[in-house]
Amino acid sequence: EAGVAQSPRYKIIEKRQSVAFWCNPISGHATLYWYQQILGQGPKLLIQFQNNGVVDDSQLPKDRFSAERLKGVDSTLKIQPAKLEDSAVYLCASSLDATAFGTGELFFGEGSRLTVL
Amino acid sequence: GQSLEQPSEVTAVEGAIVQINCTYQTSGFYGLSWYQQHDGGAPTFLSYNALDGLEETGRFSSFLSRSDSYGYLLLQELQMKDSASYFCAVRHSGAGSYQLTFGKGTKLSVIP
Repeated sequence: EAGVAQSPRYKIIEKRQSVAFWCNPISGHATLYWYQQILGQGPKLLIQFQNNGVVDDSQLPKDRFSAERLKGVDSTLKIQPAKLEDSAVYLCASSLDATAFGTGELFFGEGSRLTVL
Repeated sequence: GQSLEQPSEVTAVEGAIVQINCTYQTSGFYGLSWYQQHDGGAPTFLSYNALDGLEETGRFSSFLSRSDSYGYLLLQELQMKDSASYFCAVRHSGAGSYQLTFGKGTKLSVIP
């Protein structure tokens, strides 16, 4: 079974430029998450989709970040304009288990490492 | 909101046992998960506790006490490949669904 695919793996941009990250979740997983992981910290949830609808984007800096999930499958996360503090790994994850009684296991992609200069 | 506390670093000897503790404060708590992340890699799921008690999976065990808002991950017969960061994460109710909030992670170094 194919895992969560992300691209690009690495991206270096100047501040105020824009960048987009792509994610393809595991087939059949209805829930998709974007997490931001700053070096030395735990993943922080940015946005959660259920199929192609947004469930929670309360921690997404909406003045510069946007995300969409078309047709309930692939997703893109965009940053425009980027700031120095956006340097981080952007992790996409998907999950199958949407019930309260399961493990809620998240399957993560390898991440997209962004460096803003 | 949610908050989790775990030690930032732990060092242990190959073949030994190590315990990584996690305390949490959250609303709408469903369970406590543990994830492993090697440098440059993706976090991978290790265990999940929804009920009080110990869950064992091979060399790894995880414990939860809901009344104490406390859990731990126990790693036995440590191997060099266990050197990684370990994150506890609370599964809790969010905006119409279930969410996972992570702690800051514990970097485990296994030495010969």
